[in-house]
Amino acid sequence: KQEVTQIPAALSVPEGENLVLNCSFTDSAIYNLQWFRQDPGKGLTSLLLIQSSQREQTSGRLNASLDKSSGRSTLYIAASQPGDSATYLCAVSDDYKLSFGAGTTVTVRA
Amino acid sequence: NAGVTQTPKFRVLKTGQSMTLLCAQDMNHEYMYWYRQDPGMGLRLIHYSVGEGTTAKGEVPDGYNVSRLKKQNFLLGLESAAPSQTSVYFCASSYGADSTDTQYFGPGTRLTVL
Repeated sequence: KQEVTQIPAALSVPEGENLVLNCSFTDSAIYNLQWFRQDPGKGLTSLLLIQSSQREQTSGRLNASLDKSSGRSTLYIAASQPGDSATYLCAVSDDYKLSFGAGTTVTVRA
Repeated sequence: NAGVTQTPKFRVLKTGQSMTLLCAQDMNHEYMYWYRQDPGMGLRLIHYSVGEGTTAKGEVPDGYNVSRLKKQNFLLGLESAAPSQTSVYFCASSYGADSTDTQYFGPGTRLTVL
């Protein structure tokens, strides 16, 4: 059974600092890895999707890497802003099924 | 496009009552999913559907039933609610299950069972 772990569970940084969020998974037989953002009381929004054959994806200030052999992914958010405050969820895909981590709640202090 | 919508947004039930949660998507997606999210845990898949008229069990299906009579709608039913079913329920949809397909999520339904 796929297990997805995100450490730390919570993170607080001053505005402008770079954010590094970690995700690890136990089974390397994945289709893709996705990072989602969840705002309080809201649904999930897809940020980045990395296919199993790829090493990284970038979108604006966001960069996500994937090391399938070691079962790790890292989400980097450059020059954080208060608007980046949210919970970030990592999920790995095995065909139709997404297995989620519990998330990292980020607070960016102005 | 409205994307994925869920009805209702909030609901309080008493133990033993029944209810149906409605999910609708306007993206012509084949796949639809129901998840639950509990504090400190990741989302867990309850049931899913790969097309109109089909449904299948996910990771935590006990106590729930689903139906997909129309391609755009996916219903989640609780026949006899229990306090353990207090949770936030999310519906999602995707075009397929390819390595490039992402899932689009609704805003969630917060359910409390007393």
